Amino acid sequence: EAGVTQFPSHSVIEKGQTVTLRCDPISGHDNLYWYRRVMGKEIKFLLHFVKESKQDESGMPNNRFLAERTGGTYSTLKVQPAELEDSGVYFCASTPAGVGTGELFFGEGSRLTVL
Amino acid sequence: AQSVTQLGSHVSVSEGALVLLRCNYSSSVPPYLFWYVQYPNQGLQLLLKYTSAATLVKGINGFEAEFKKSETSFHLTKPSAHMSDAAEYFCAVISSGGYQKVTFGTGTKLQVIP
Repeated sequence: EAGVTQFPSHSVIEKGQTVTLRCDPISGHDNLYWYRRVMGKEIKFLLHFVKESKQDESGMPNNRFLAERTGGTYSTLKVQPAELEDSGVYFCASTPAGVGTGELFFGEGSRLTVL
Repeated sequence: AQSVTQLGSHVSVSEGALVLLRCNYSSSVPPYLFWYVQYPNQGLQLLLKYTSAATLVKGINGFEAEFKKSETSFHLTKPSAHMSDAAEYFCAVISSGGYQKVTFGTGTKLQVIP
């Protein structure tokens, strides 16, 4: 069974440009999460989808970030326009439907560098 | 609100020595606690979890952690470090029941010296 996959693994862009990160969850997982880790700090929650619906987007930093999950399968996270402080590693995770025990299945992350 | 604090962003041990990575939690309701590990160039993977059953939890690769309510701690240990244990370790917490938003600590990088 394929795990969570993320693309690209690393992106380097200039301030003001746009970047779109993609996450393919484990097949059949209804829950999809985005997390971000800024260098040296904790991994912070961004948002949570249940199928195609945003369950919780309380962690989204500002309106430059837009997440979508059309059809309840893969998700994209767009940053437009990117700022220097957006640099970090963006992790995607997924879990099956229902209330689980909190174990998240993570992708390898997308490293974003904004110059 | 829930939170975890990991003491020490970097820990170095000699190969064969005891590994002890510290984690203290704060939660207003009984917590579920986790340790995740991130090996170089890989995603995070679950090492072990505490979900209100036995307080001593055994995980993969010889790691274990003990839930101590009186100390609000969930320290990770391994009796004998191996070179392959070099990685970054994250403690995490959720409050049991209902919707779960996992809260992570800042991570501890473990270096194993030959």
